[in-house]
Amino acid sequence: DTAVSQTPKYLVTQMGNDKSIKCEQNLGHDTMYWYKQDSKKFLKIMFSYNNKELIINETVPNRFSPKSPDKAHLNLHINSLELGDSAVYFCASSPETSVAYEQYFGPGTRLTVT
Amino acid sequence: RKEVEQDPGPFNVPEGATVAFNCTYSNSASQSFFWYRQDCRKEPKLLMSVYSSGNEDGRFTAQLNRASQYISLLIRDSKLSDSATYLCVVNMRSGGSYIPTFGRGTSLIVHP
Repeated sequence: DTAVSQTPKYLVTQMGNDKSIKCEQNLGHDTMYWYKQDSKKFLKIMFSYNNKELIINETVPNRFSPKSPDKAHLNLHINSLELGDSAVYFCASSPETSVAYEQYFGPGTRLTVT
Repeated sequence: RKEVEQDPGPFNVPEGATVAFNCTYSNSASQSFFWYRQDCRKEPKLLMSVYSSGNEDGRFTAQLNRASQYISLLIRDSKLSDSATYLCVVNMRSGGSYIPTFGRGTSLIVHP
């Protein structure tokens, strides 16, 4: 069973389009994250949700909007895609955020904007 | 100054060698520390947590030096399968939550 899953695995789209990436975890964790890993392999946190509540919102353009319908899902919607959005997006989860547990990552979504 | 800094490498070592990586962090309020491993085109996976007293897991030893604000990872008897990027992660307390900050990673290549 996949613990943290993301769809799609690859996404190629044109500038200006709107796209969504879905993430689901079956670990029963309370906290989920979105990270962006750019071409220089720098992994940077974008958002974190704890039990459907937004708790971390780093400096991310408001074209990026996370949505958590329940604590097992955290989706990422991106409006008006730009070339600079090309990266690998990782979803992750951890048991909770009040204690610094380790995180479990999904396989990543490789987004290419042309 | 970056919050979490690592030498990107690559560290190119023969099988059986001992290799060590350091990671420095700038925020003295940092609370917890981890090493992750990331293989090419894969997701990061936890290698080990880093405790104040230092900890060992087989061939891997992690150390924390709070006074100098760095953590280290030592790999003994390197295997070909150890080739990967090693990411240092520092969790900083912010309100009631922890914010994880990743270093850029250190690339290790173990050759026959």
